[in-house]
Amino acid sequence: KAGVTQTPRYLIKTRGQQVTLSCSPISGHRSVSWYQQTPGQGLQFLFEYFSETQRNKGNFPGRFSGRQFSNSRSEMNVSTLELGDSALYLCASSPGQGALHEQYFGPGTRLTVT
Amino acid sequence: TQLLEQSPQFLSIQEGENLTVYCNSSSVFSSLQWYRQEPGEGPVLLVTVVTGGEVKKLKRLTFQFGDARKDSSLHITAAQPGDTGLYLCAGDRGSTLGRLYFGRGTQLTVWP
Repeated sequence: KAGVTQTPRYLIKTRGQQVTLSCSPISGHRSVSWYQQTPGQGLQFLFEYFSETQRNKGNFPGRFSGRQFSNSRSEMNVSTLELGDSALYLCASSPGQGALHEQYFGPGTRLTVT
Repeated sequence: TQLLEQSPQFLSIQEGENLTVYCNSSSVFSSLQWYRQEPGEGPVLLVTVVTGGEVKKLKRLTFQFGDARKDSSLHITAAQPGDTGLYLCAGDRGSTLGRLYFGRGTQLTVWP
């Protein structure tokens, strides 16, 4: 099975712009989670989608949004970018059902805001 | 405030040494997972522990889940440079379906 893919791998944007990141989960996985990773804060949970519905949400401002499509692919959007949004954005997929919620991560998108 | 506290935050050792990384919480978890992340990559799942007191071994790595399911440890025997990476623990509370709670990680560097 192919792993989780994320596009693009690297992105440079300027303050005030918006950005859309894409994630394709492992085939058959219905849950997609998004995380922001920075050296100071570690892995911060953004949100989780299951079968096109947002099931969980972290403590991020409304500038961060996401969606999931019927084929389980997911996108996240950040509007009005700030310098502090520079981070590695990780997507993880899991089957979404069952006793163990093991996650499989993509390589991430490195976002730099200048 | 992190639900899971990992210690130490940084660990720098020589090849061949043993080490233990701790993951502690005041909350109970239905399962706990350990991941390893290398630079420029996403975390990779190493193991999941489910039962209180459970011990799992993965070659030179030994994982233990506390009896009360509030803490876990990772012990590496005879560390090698290839063990270098960021070790993350993550807990599933069971009550919040679909969400994992991650610790901040332990950055391990093993020098040859």
